[in-house]
Amino acid sequence: KQEVTQIPAALSVPEGENLVLNCSFTDSAIYNLQWFRQDPGKGLTSLLLIQSSQREQTSGRLNASLDKSSGRSTLYIAASQPGDSATYLCAVSHGAGSYQLTFGKGTKLSVIP
Amino acid sequence: DVKVTQSSRYLVKRTGEKVFLECVQDMDHENMFWYRQDPGLGLRLIYFSYDVKMKEKGDIPEGYSVSREKKERFSLILESASTNQTSMYLCASTSGGGWGSMNTEAFFGQGTRLTVV
Repeated sequence: KQEVTQIPAALSVPEGENLVLNCSFTDSAIYNLQWFRQDPGKGLTSLLLIQSSQREQTSGRLNASLDKSSGRSTLYIAASQPGDSATYLCAVSHGAGSYQLTFGKGTKLSVIP
Repeated sequence: DVKVTQSSRYLVKRTGEKVFLECVQDMDHENMFWYRQDPGLGLRLIYFSYDVKMKEKGDIPEGYSVSREKKERFSLILESASTNQTSMYLCASTSGGGWGSMNTEAFFGQGTRLTVV
């Protein structure tokens, strides 16, 4: 059964710092990996989608990498801002004909002004 | 602008009531999902649907049913609400169908916070 782990569960950094969030998955047979942001009490907002054949994707200050063979992904946030404070979740789509996404439990990021 | 809309942001229901949570997407997506999210447990899949009138159980289907009569609408039904179904419910959709169809981005609604008293 696919399992997704995100470490650390919580992270606090001063404004302006560059940071890396980690995501690992147990089964490398994935279709894609997606990073989401969730603000308190809200739904999930898609940040980046990396296809299984890709190594990385970039959007603004965000860069996500994927190493499928080792079962790892990282989300790099450059020059963090207080508005980046949120919970970040990664999810993998996988399975023979399965339509499921399996999620990590997220990393709660706090950027201190 | 793509959109997944859940009918309610907040709901308070009594134990034993039949509860309907509605989700509508305007992207002509084939696949729709219902998750619940609880502190410490993360997102867990309840049911999903890959076509009209088709449904598949997820990891925690007990106490729930679903309906997909139209492509754009996916309803989650709590037949007899219980306090342990108090949770945040999230609807999502993706495009595609068949093997390898999951190379597509998932979009989520804003969530429904359900409290059963």
